[in-house]
Parts: sequence; structure tokens; C-alpha cells
Amino acid sequence: TQLLEQSPQFLSIQEGENLTVYCNSSSVFSSLQWYRQEPGEGPVLLVTVVTGGEVKKLKRLTFQFGDARKDSSLHITAAQPGDTGLYLCAGAIGVNSGNTPLVFGKGTRLSVIA
Amino acid sequence: EAQVTQNPRYLITVTGKKLTVTCSQNMNHEYMSWYRQDPGLGLRQIYYSMNVEVTDKGDVPEGYKVSRKEKRNFPLILESPSPNQTSLYFCASSFKAGGYGYTFGSGTRLTVV
Repeated sequence: TQLLEQSPQFLSIQEGENLTVYCNSSSVFSSLQWYRQEPGEGPVLLVTVVTGGEVKKLKRLTFQFGDARKDSSLHITAAQPGDTGLYLCAGAIGVNSGNTPLVFGKGTRLSVIA
Repeated sequence: EAQVTQNPRYLITVTGKKLTVTCSQNMNHEYMSWYRQDPGLGLRQIYYSMNVEVTDKGDVPEGYKVSRKEKRNFPLILESPSPNQTSLYFCASSFKAGGYGYTFGSGTRLTVV
């Protein structure tokens, strides 16, 4: 059973379009992180959200943590070819999350076509 | 520069020939972990270490060994590699296991023939 479900699995869009990808769970997370992975490289941390309802912005990327801390979304405005990659969400479960490894979703593979 | 260094980046080996993939971090992180990444299966955790001399199995530990004798190093050992261990491997480190960002290495692409 996958604790973190990401959707869609694949997304191919034209440059300039907007998109949203989702990360859902039935579990409550004390914090949630988003990573981007480019081909042949390791994942790179984009953001960490810790408070229910929290919204963080990173240039054209907007991250939101659900009120109940069970889900998160990543919205990209005016996508660019440089946004192409695998987007992974990862969550820390439980109160004492410092002692529990992150749980990773399988990712959304985004392709932005020029 | 803060980083996790994995070596080698690419490795082709034969079934049964013992190999070690090294991982080193320069951030004084307590937590280190190994993952394998396969198409359609995502990142799967092999082993992790909360601190020096403390290691634990992840989701797919069979066929692998690790050690954590020093804080900065966390090598992954395949005593008798098999073709089903052909994969892309990543080492990661963090201040703590959860709630803090992970820094990943650049990966090791292993092919076992």
C-alpha cells in the first residue's frame, strides 16, 4: 500500500500553460516536502511545509499543505521547459517525526514542450 | 560546498562479484539512507542509519549490507550481486530522519550481468 499517492503519474503540457499536481494520503503528516529530480541526478528539495493550510511560493511554483495535513498540491504557473522533471512529495508521519524516515510518493513526471 | 558524494556513478559488474558503493557527506548529518529507484516503483528504501553504529532495514534490504563506522560515511555493500539488483541507487543524508530536507547524492547506475 502506497502511503502517499501522487497524481497524475505523467503530465505533458505546452510551454506557458498552468498545471497542478497532487499528493494525497489517508495519514496525517507532521511535515511534507516536495522534491524535483532531473534525469540522471538525485532529487533536490524544493520546499517543506509544516502547518495545515500553509502556502509557500517559489517563483512560479506554489505549494499548499492541506488543512488536515493529509494532502498537498503543487501549482506551476506559465510552465517553462526548465520545469521538466520528476516531482516527488515526501512526508514525515507522526508526532515524533524526527525518528521516522520520510515516506516518498512515486512522483509525477512532467514534460513541458517548447 | 555541502554535498553527498557517491562513487562510482556508473558500474557494470558480473553476477556474484562483491562490490561496494561509497557514500560520504560533509554536513555532519546524523541520518543517512540508501534508496534504489526503478521505473514504476519509485524510490524504495534499502537501509538507513540514525547515527554512528546504528543501522536499520528499510523496505527492500535483501541482498544488501551497510555499515556506519563514521558519521560521514555510509557504504552500501552487495556481497553477491544478482541481475535483479540492476538499478539506480541514491544515498541521502539529513539532520534527522524526518521533518528535515534530505540531500541526495547524484546516483550510481548499477548493471549486473
